[in-house]
Amino acid sequence: DSGVTQTPKHLITATGQRVTLRCSPRSGDLSVYWYQQSLDQGLQFLIQYYNGEERAKGNILERFSAQQFPDLHSELNLSSLELGDSALYFCASSVGGVGAGDTGELFFGEGSRLTVL
Amino acid sequence: AQSVTQLGSHVSVSEGALVLLRCNYSSSVPPYLFWYVQYPNQGLQLLLKYTSAATLVKGINGFEAEFKKSETSFHLTKPSAHMSDAAEYFCAVTRSGGYQKVTFGTGTKLQVIP
Repeated sequence: DSGVTQTPKHLITATGQRVTLRCSPRSGDLSVYWYQQSLDQGLQFLIQYYNGEERAKGNILERFSAQQFPDLHSELNLSSLELGDSALYFCASSVGGVGAGDTGELFFGEGSRLTVL
Repeated sequence: AQSVTQLGSHVSVSEGALVLLRCNYSSSVPPYLFWYVQYPNQGLQLLLKYTSAATLVKGINGFEAEFKKSETSFHLTKPSAHMSDAAEYFCAVTRSGGYQKVTFGTGTKLQVIP
């Protein structure tokens, strides 16, 4: 158990719909990352937050957005869903601080599998 | 900028044979390097990490990796493959000196043949 919790584990929805994926990081971790994993694209970095602020942005579509709340949990919002958005979405967390305590090690949740029909 | 290259998206070995998964990195500053493993229908979990201490790093399940600065490599090895090693393996790099962005390789799927 990594300590990172993602909900829901599975989600089936239709094209054009909107969904929200939720992530609770490990206790004490300040950084949250979102990744998308699909068969054709592999593991793609979407976005990263540190203590409520956006820290880095990767290949995230404009239809997708995320935020990290004061209690450090994060949500990834996916809208106007397309068939190609079907994938496994992972959340990961890390200490995220500056200094010797943070080696950049990421702790991954078990993912949310999104199926768009 | 930093990057990692994993040579071979699929590797097959016989049970009991040596496992060698290749990873080369690019980083303008001293890197931290990681190997993660992903079993089917699971998230990634850390196998081992190099954070500028010993260059030969031992991880879980009998895996180890050696940091070679001159070759900019961090190959993953295991002397004897087990059926349970079948999984996808990801190499990752970040910068030392506190938090930095983590960059993953494209992954290598390991098949173990009985």
